[in-house]
This record gives sequence, C-alpha cells and structure tokens, in this order.
Amino acid sequence: QVQLQESGPGLVKPSETLSLTCAVSGYSISTTYYWGWIRQPPGKGLEWIGSIYHSGITYYNPSLKSRVTISVDTSKNQFSLQLSSVTAADTAVYYCARAYGSGTVSFDHWGQGILVTVSS
Amino acid sequence: EIVMTQSPATLSVSPGERATLSCRASQSVSSNLVWYQQKPGQAPRLLIYGASTRATGIPVRFSGSGSGTEFTLTISSLQSEDSAVYYCQQYDSWPPRGTFGQGTKVEIK
Repeated sequence: QVQLQESGPGLVKPSETLSLTCAVSGYSISTTYYWGWIRQPPGKGLEWIGSIYHSGITYYNPSLKSRVTISVDTSKNQFSLQLSSVTAADTAVYYCARAYGSGTVSFDHWGQGILVTVSS
Repeated sequence: EIVMTQSPATLSVSPGERATLSCRASQSVSSNLVWYQQKPGQAPRLLIYGASTRATGIPVRFSGSGSGTEFTLTISSLQSEDSAVYYCQQYDSWPPRGTFGQGTKVEIK
C-alpha cells in the first residue's frame, strides 16, 4: 500500500522560499505514475500546483509556474516542492499525492497534508 | 482556461434520501473529470474518474454521469458518513491544468 508523507517547515517568512519534501513508501517512485503537489488555503478549495514523473518531466500550474520547482530524488524515493517569493496568500495545507492511472493532475493516493503558514 | 462551476454551494439532505451535485465546465472536457470527497481535517479521496467510473473501494451508492460540459455526482441513499465537501476536477486541458470546482458541501439534515 503506497503511503506519502509531507515534511518541512510549518512557518515561512514572506519573500522567502517554501520547501517541502514528500517521502513515498510502499511503492517505487522510479516506476510508473506522476507525483504531484496540491494546496488548500484554510477554509478554501483545492489548487493543483504541479506534477512530476520519475524521469524529471514536470507540469506546473501556469498561475504558479514562475515561482515553482518540483524535483524528484529516486535514490531516496521522494520528491520535493519549492515555492519562491512567498506571501500570505501562499498560506495553505500542502498535499503530496500520486496520480491515478496514466494521468498527471488527478490523484488517488494522498499524504495527510502539512500546514504552511507564511508570516513574519 | 477552463472554469469549473459547482452547484449548489451547500446541499442539505435527509439520511436515506438522494443527493445530486452538479459540476459545469466552461468548455467541453469530454469525460475527463473526477470527483473527490473531502471530510474535515482529511485529504481528499478519489470517488469517480472518467466522469462515471467508481474508484477502488467506493460504495455503489456513489455514481457519476455526464460528458462535455455538464456532470453530476449522485449519492443514491445518503449516509451520515457522507457529510463532506465534494469537488470536481477536470483533466482535459493540455498542457495539464487540473482545474477544480469550488466544492459543494453536503450536510445531513
């Protein structure tokens, strides 16, 4: 059974870079499937951030593309999110997830989520 | 950009009754639509993919229908554990965009 676990700082200062890691267990990230990040501001809806394949192919939400980098480390079976120049609007629960089937942006296995607050 | 609009914002239904949730796309997404269920404090759970196929382990009371721009999620006999927010998401765009609807909150009357 695949499991995903987000980790990283829960508090980031404005203008700095948010960095999160998703550790995957129960499945090798080096085989099939895309892996992605999704976020949810408190009390609001879901927003897809981006997705990555083990080969390094990435797709990003155009609204965030200039600030987002998603990378994969197959040796550690994990992938990461970096979001630069954060503001209070980036405060959200950040989820990592595995895409279902051959898809890239829809997900059938999710981490529990990590709340990241942007504040000085 | 494809915009996904869900209605109603909140739906109050008695146990055992049918709940019907709508999702409309601003342009055709074919059958490239999924539905998620999200309970408070939990990650979303994939219910339906391909507009009408139940994901693994999803009870048969959940069904999806529609194609093009109009989609429906039906809960045939609402159970107390179905109280949640339901989101639709399209995956038709290329390059991928993964646009979500704003959600419908289902309450037990």
